[in-house]
Amino acid sequence: AQSVTQLDSQVPVFEEAPVELRCNYSSSVSVYLFWYVQYPNQGLQLLLKYLSGSTLVKGINGFEAEFNKSQTSFHLRKPSVHISDTAEYFCAVSLYSSASKIIFGSGTRLSIRP
Amino acid sequence: DAGVIQSPRHEVTEMGQEVTLRCKPISGHDYLFWYRQTMMRGLELLIYFNNNVPIDDSGMPEDRFSAKMPNASFSTLKIQPSEPRDSAVYFCASSGLAGGPGETQYFGPGTRLLVL
Repeated sequence: AQSVTQLDSQVPVFEEAPVELRCNYSSSVSVYLFWYVQYPNQGLQLLLKYLSGSTLVKGINGFEAEFNKSQTSFHLRKPSVHISDTAEYFCAVSLYSSASKIIFGSGTRLSIRP
Repeated sequence: DAGVIQSPRHEVTEMGQEVTLRCKPISGHDYLFWYRQTMMRGLELLIYFNNNVPIDDSGMPEDRFSAKMPNASFSTLKIQPSEPRDSAVYFCASSGLAGGPGETQYFGPGTRLLVL
């Protein structure tokens, strides 16, 4: 069965600093990969997703992620964070064979310090 | 589009009472998902429907939980009887396959449930 691991439960960074949120997945078959963001007291919304093609995926709000098949990783990056990026970030995976069902990681709370 | 609509936004009830959570998916979406989010267990998929038919309910914690989707624009998640450990935020999400595999799920704002 597929699974998603987000090693960092919390990541504190200073405003305008770069950030990387790590995500590793486990699956014996091809997968689709997602990053969702949850702002305080809101539902989740899609940041970006990898389906196929270029391994570098660009999303909303200046975020990007790189799919690395050999390392089974899909790390999320932003070169310069803003206070408004304070949120919880979820990595997720779904199988080609069951594209409708998404398995979410445990989340990483990004806190931005001024 | 109004997005996924959930009601109520907050619910406080006493142990043993019946709780009904409601969801209206985005028009035209044929998949509907119910999730539960807690600090301890994170985000868990409870059940999902395709064209109003339950496809996978393996995440439903126990018989006290039931979900229905009588038509394409409405779904309910019922807990009877409720227990304090059911306290959580419950999210509804919907998606469609018009865009092909890897379709985005659109989440509602959630229902924050507190069982005393």
